[in-house]
Amino acid sequence: SQTIHQWPATLVQPVGSPLSLECTVEGTSNPNLYWYRQAAGRGLQLLFYSVGIGQISSEVPQNLSASRPQDRQFILSSKKLLLSDSGFYLCAWGADQKETQYFGPGTRLLVL
Amino acid sequence: GQQLNQSPQSMFIQEGEDVSMNCTSSSIFNTWLWYKQDPGEGPVLLIALYKAGELTSNGRLTAQFGITRKDSFLNISASIPSDVGIYFCFGAGNMLTFGGGTRLMVKP
Repeated sequence: SQTIHQWPATLVQPVGSPLSLECTVEGTSNPNLYWYRQAAGRGLQLLFYSVGIGQISSEVPQNLSASRPQDRQFILSSKKLLLSDSGFYLCAWGADQKETQYFGPGTRLLVL
Repeated sequence: GQQLNQSPQSMFIQEGEDVSMNCTSSSIFNTWLWYKQDPGEGPVLLIALYKAGELTSNGRLTAQFGITRKDSFLNISASIPSDVGIYFCFGAGNMLTFGGGTRLMVKP
């Protein structure tokens, strides 16, 4: 069966510091991968998605970036965090053209 | 861009009551998904709908893909305390869009 992991579970970072969040998927190959951000009590905002290694589509311009160095690894990065980057970051994977997505456990980021 | 209007935003439930929520849009979607999210966790897929008019059940949950492809509803029958949480609709068309969520809470 397929599983999706996110690391770390929680993170507290100072403003201006770099960021690297990792998402890995097991049990499937060539998945579609997605990064979402969720502000407290709000809906999910799609940040990036990838349909293959090295391919990244950005939905929202911001100081975040994404990379897919391996088939089942998706990384969310920032060179300098802003206070507004605080939130709950969710990674998801999908395996079909119907866009069915399965979410990871999330990473809670607090920027101080 | 495509917008999903999910309602109600929140509601109180009493054990045993039926619950209904819906999502509407002015745009057409090819896929409707319904998720439930518990605090501090990722959303869990409840029901997936891929065809206009499709009606699908998952235990006490029933969801329908609107015939116009612009809306979907989710019903929960005979609610229980563990139904508390936030429910999100998701539409896939030209864009991938989540509704704003419906927060179910227990009546005091």
